[in-house]
Amino acid sequence: DAGVIQSPRHEVTEMGQEVTLRCKPISGHNSLFWYRQTMMRGLELLIYFNNNVPIDDSGMPEDRFSAKMPNASFSTLKIQPSEPRDSAVYFCASTQSDTQYFGPGTRLTVL
Amino acid sequence: AQSVTQPDIHITVSEGASLELRCNYSYGATPYLFWYVQSPGQGLQLLLKYFSGDTLVQGIKGFEAEFKRSQSSFNLRKPSVHWSDAAEYFCAVVESGGADGLTFGKGTHLIIQP
Repeated sequence: DAGVIQSPRHEVTEMGQEVTLRCKPISGHNSLFWYRQTMMRGLELLIYFNNNVPIDDSGMPEDRFSAKMPNASFSTLKIQPSEPRDSAVYFCASTQSDTQYFGPGTRLTVL
Repeated sequence: AQSVTQPDIHITVSEGASLELRCNYSYGATPYLFWYVQSPGQGLQLLLKYFSGDTLVQGIKGFEAEFKRSQSSFNLRKPSVHWSDAAEYFCAVVESGGADGLTFGKGTHLIIQP
């Protein structure tokens, strides 16, 4: 089992640019979660999907953030336009038997 | 709203000594409880979880945790730490049923002294 796959692992971009983070959940898992980790705020839930349908996006900080899950094996988190305060590690997790399994994360740096 | 408190930001333990990391939660019902470990630059690895039943749960890498309803606590323990245990440890909770996102504590940074 390859686990949750995230790409890219590292992303450096300039303020104002569009950023797209990608996630492939573990096959057969029907829920997918996006989290953000920062020193100041710790780990925060951004949005989650159940059977590809967004259930709760109350954690998405601004309209600049959007997430999609077009099928059971792929999700994206997009930031447009990006700002320096978006610099963080973004994690994707998928769920089996009420347990979340995390990907390695994408470290985003916005200059 | 549910919350998780890990009162110790840093803990330093000598190699071979015992370890206890504290976790308290605030939630109306009995939530599902988890401990995750994060090594530098890595993702979060599940150590153990509690849903119901026996309040002492065993996990990977020799860790265990005890759920105490009266104290709203779910402390993580290990009888003898190894240098490889140095990492960040996170306690997390979710509403029973596990359908929602996890609420995490701020984490405890574990330092192992030789």
